Amino acid sequence: SQQGEEDPQALSIQEGENATMNCSYKTSINNLQWYRQNSGRGLVHLILIRSNEREKHSGRLRVTLDTSKKSSSLLITASRAADTASYFCAPRGGANNLFFGTGTRLTVIP
Amino acid sequence: KAGVTQTPRYLIKTRGQQVTLSCSPISGHRSVSWYQQTPGQGLQFLFEYFSETQRNKGNFPGRFSGRQFSNSRSEMNVSTLELGDSALYLCASSLERGGYTDTQYFGPGTRLTVL
Repeated sequence: SQQGEEDPQALSIQEGENATMNCSYKTSINNLQWYRQNSGRGLVHLILIRSNEREKHSGRLRVTLDTSKKSSSLLITASRAADTASYFCAPRGGANNLFFGTGTRLTVIP
Repeated sequence: KAGVTQTPRYLIKTRGQQVTLSCSPISGHRSVSWYQQTPGQGLQFLFEYFSETQRNKGNFPGRFSGRQFSNSRSEMNVSTLELGDSALYLCASSLERGGYTDTQYFGPGTRLTVL
């Protein structure tokens, strides 16, 4: 299956700390995307990393990709209360649709 | 550019009824995908439309159907509603580059409650 699996399922940290969440997948991919969802709302695209890239940065976000291990990680530095949300990875192979995992629920405590 | 819009935002129906949800993609986007999100099953892909044709389909019963119009707007229909159809229905649009779509941009969703 192309579905990503996020780990941990839930994460609770203090404001200002870093948050790291991981994603594993099973098939070969063209790219892997991370999305954020605030409670009961639509998903917001955060970052896309292509299969030939190993690391990518966007503001306080850092994404790594290890295609040999079929895994990715999302690091959010200096977390804020507004970062409280669910985070989903979506590995993308040949299909045009995304297969999401169950997500990591991040809670940032002020 | 305006984002993806979905109407209605909230909907309450009873079992056995049917419902139609609407999605307007970002201007210029020709691919529209639909997803169902429930607490138990998470985010599941329903179908994708491109140029008025269904290009991909998830593992849902035939009660779930959709279509896309020439202006790329899309509708999905659920007939004979069941309690388990209560969910957040998300629509996403994306550009098509060389036969391959990239980042998907999601709408706010339609919250359907079936009583």
